[in-house]
Amino acid sequence: DAKTTQPTSMDCAEGRAANLPCNHSTISGNEYVYWYRQIHSQGPQYIIHGLKNNETNEMASLIITEDRKSSTLILPHATLRDTAVYYCIVRVAGGSSNTGKLIFGQGTTLQVKP
Amino acid sequence: DAGVTQSPTHLIKTRGQHVTLRCSPISGHKSVSWYQQVLGQGPQFIFQYYEKEERGRGNFPDRFSARQFPNYSSELNVNALLLGDSALYLCASSQWSSGFNEQFFGPGTRLTVL
Repeated sequence: DAKTTQPTSMDCAEGRAANLPCNHSTISGNEYVYWYRQIHSQGPQYIIHGLKNNETNEMASLIITEDRKSSTLILPHATLRDTAVYYCIVRVAGGSSNTGKLIFGQGTTLQVKP
Repeated sequence: DAGVTQSPTHLIKTRGQHVTLRCSPISGHKSVSWYQQVLGQGPQFIFQYYEKEERGRGNFPDRFSARQFPNYSSELNVNALLLGDSALYLCASSQWSSGFNEQFFGPGTRLTVL
């Protein structure tokens, strides 16, 4: 089972920031938070990941609370092409026992509207 | 650079038949993972292979099998197809079996079982 909880769906106006929350209250100290998105009929696409510090790349920002029990993915200026299902995943990174598998939940369907 | 490629794009089979799906990873990537995505659900992990060895297996019956070839391409085989096997089958490649490495997904093979 997925170890994260996300809202089923969200709307965002084009050009505005989209803030997608994720709850991962049982996260372990060695688990990272990953975000992927899946545009209709395509394979999932990696967005960003982090451990405890906030992270930013060309696609998005990731804000992780101090207790690490929740996080928010921020798309600063959403466009119609950002309409997709967004998955928040926690997993261990590193170590010989880690298979690298991703456990996807239901995700959040983000609808960006003009 | 070519991304992850999968073949065929679409496939229609009948119950009881066998199917083979193929995946070519990004050049230089040695790990391949397979996921099943039923309509309306997030992808579910089936297998991971690294350097031609199975490194992880999800909760799928023995009808599902896979292998990885010396050139790191991979096949997923499903025997005795059931209606419930209808899904999008995704392949993901990465450089290593674990760690921070990003997983790149292919476009998937849409399997319909009648």
